[in-house]
This record gives sequence, C-alpha cells and structure tokens, in this order.
Amino acid sequence: EAGVVQSPRYKIIEKKQPVAFWCNPISGHNTLYWYLQNLGQGPELLIRYENEEAVDDSQLPKDRFSAERLKGVDSTLKIQPAELGDSAVYLCASSFGENYEQYFGPGTRLTVT
Amino acid sequence: AQSVTQLGSHVSVSEGALVLLRCNYSSSVPPYLFWYVQYPNQGLQLLLKYTTGATLVKGINGFEAEFKKSETSFHLTKPSAHMSDAAEYFCAVTTTGGGNKLTFGTGTQLKVEL
Repeated sequence: EAGVVQSPRYKIIEKKQPVAFWCNPISGHNTLYWYLQNLGQGPELLIRYENEEAVDDSQLPKDRFSAERLKGVDSTLKIQPAELGDSAVYLCASSFGENYEQYFGPGTRLTVT
Repeated sequence: AQSVTQLGSHVSVSEGALVLLRCNYSSSVPPYLFWYVQYPNQGLQLLLKYTTGATLVKGINGFEAEFKKSETSFHLTKPSAHMSDAAEYFCAVTTTGGGNKLTFGTGTQLKVEL
C-alpha cells in the first residue's frame, strides 16, 4: 500500500513570495491533516479535513495560509505571502474512519530567505 | 485541554542497554496515547498506541509502553538498544470526541553509542 505522498520535499523561496504544498493521502483515507513542525518541536495541527470539509482550521493563520481538498482526496496548502518565520517542515497525514492512527508523509521542508 | 510533557530532550544510551523515554500527559477525559518515531528528513512513523484494554502495549522494533493512569504516564521502553534506534521520538495524546486532534510533546532525541 502506498503511503502518504507529499511534494515538493524541499522548497526555498524569498520572503513575500507565494508557495504551495501538495499532499496525496493513503487511498480510502477520508481524514486529512496538515501539521507544522518547527525545528526541535513536535508537530502542531494546522487544519483537518473530513472528506472535502475543513472541520478544524482554528490553528490556521488565515491571513496568509489557505488550504483546499477538492473532491475529498488530495490537498493543497498555500502560503501567500511567505514570511521568514514560516520556515519549517509541513507534514501531511491521513487516517480512516474511527481509527485513531494517523499516517504521515515525509514532509516538505520550507526555507524562506 | 490536553497536553504532553516529555522529560529529557536528549537521551543517550549504550548499544544493548535499556531504553527509557518518559512521557506524562494531561487530559480531563480518558486519553488515547501514541508514540511516534521520526528519522532524519522523514515523516513520523507510529511505534505503538494505547486506546483501551491492556495497559501494556507492544509496538514495532521491540518497543513497548505502559499506560499508568495513576501516574498519568506512558513511558516508552526497549530492553536492548540498537544503533538503528537512534532517532527522535514523540509522544502524543488525543481523546474521544476530540476529532482525533493529536497533541504532541516536544520530542526526545535518542542517541545510541557503541
């Protein structure tokens, strides 16, 4: 079974530029999560989707971050404009139904210069 | 609200020695507890989980953890460390009705020395 796929793996941009990350969850997983992981920290939830509906986006900085999950499968997380403090690893995870196991992708390491 | 505290941001053991990584949680309702491992430049991999039932849970790679409600702990152990165990380990908690929102600790970096 293929795991959670994320792209790109690494991204370097200048501040004020836009950037987008893509995630394809495990087939059949209806719940998708985006996490932010700062250096030396544990992941923090940004947004959770149940199918195509964002059911928890309370931690998403909506002034510059946006996300979508069209058709309830893959998802895109966007930052516009990026700031120096956005440098971090962005992790995507997925899970199925009432199963509390979340499966993580390899992450996208963003560097804002 | 739920939270996790991992004592010791860095732990160093000798190969073949016991591994003990500490995790204490705070939750107002019965918790579900997890240990994840993260190797450099990779995502998180689930080691083991406790939801209900037996309080001693076994996971992959010879790891196990015991849920102790009275101590609000979920420490991770492995009888004999291997060089390949060197990685960062995260304890996490969620609750029923919490929308499966995982709250992670700050992680413990495990170093295994010859």
